[in-house]
Amino acid sequence: DVKVTQSSRYLVKRTGEKVFLECVQDMDHENMFWYRQDPGLGLRLIYFSYDVKMKEKGDIPEGYSVSREKKERFSLILESASTNQTSMYLCASSRRVGYSSGANVLTFGAGSRLTVL
Amino acid sequence: RKEVEQDPGPFNVPEGATVAFNCTYSNSASQSFFWYRQDCRKEPKLLMSVYSSGNEDGRFTAQLNRASQYISLLIRDSKLSDSATYLCVADPYSSASKIIFGSGTRLSIRP
Repeated sequence: DVKVTQSSRYLVKRTGEKVFLECVQDMDHENMFWYRQDPGLGLRLIYFSYDVKMKEKGDIPEGYSVSREKKERFSLILESASTNQTSMYLCASSRRVGYSSGANVLTFGAGSRLTVL
Repeated sequence: RKEVEQDPGPFNVPEGATVAFNCTYSNSASQSFFWYRQDCRKEPKLLMSVYSSGNEDGRFTAQLNRASQYISLLIRDSKLSDSATYLCVADPYSSASKIIFGSGTRLSIRP
């Protein structure tokens, strides 16, 4: 069964702490994503990676960084957590498709619910 | 204006009813569309793709209207287990980072 695994389901951190969220996929997918989901705002893309060491900023990258040293692993880093980063964080992956060869179907991890106090 | 808009609901319908909801998109360059289902406190999961000719999967029917830039999802003979949030997704193909999710429509099926 296809899987995206996020390391922590629930985290509670204090303002100013450094936070690491880890995501691992076993599908050999090229693309990996980090989203955050907030009530009324839907899913917003933080960062996207299309290959090892490659990344693109999403809609809300401020306050976040990412690392992709291996194809299967995509990490989200909050250098100095703030209360407005309290949210549900969702990692996803997808196979790379060509412009005319198909659409991106995302497989999500179970999510990491982060609370920053 | 949001790029993908959905009525947030909730839609509260009795078991066995037929329910439909729409999603509008603003980017005419969008190529592919999907419906994802998200259960409470769970991750989104692909429900079905939406094809230009319309497609059906059991009790679920998805339609695409490119001229009016909306997609729809129809659920017939609704079950209690259909209670979830349904997310509309537009994919412009140009880059996976440009995939846009709607905020979701919440559906609640009552006995």
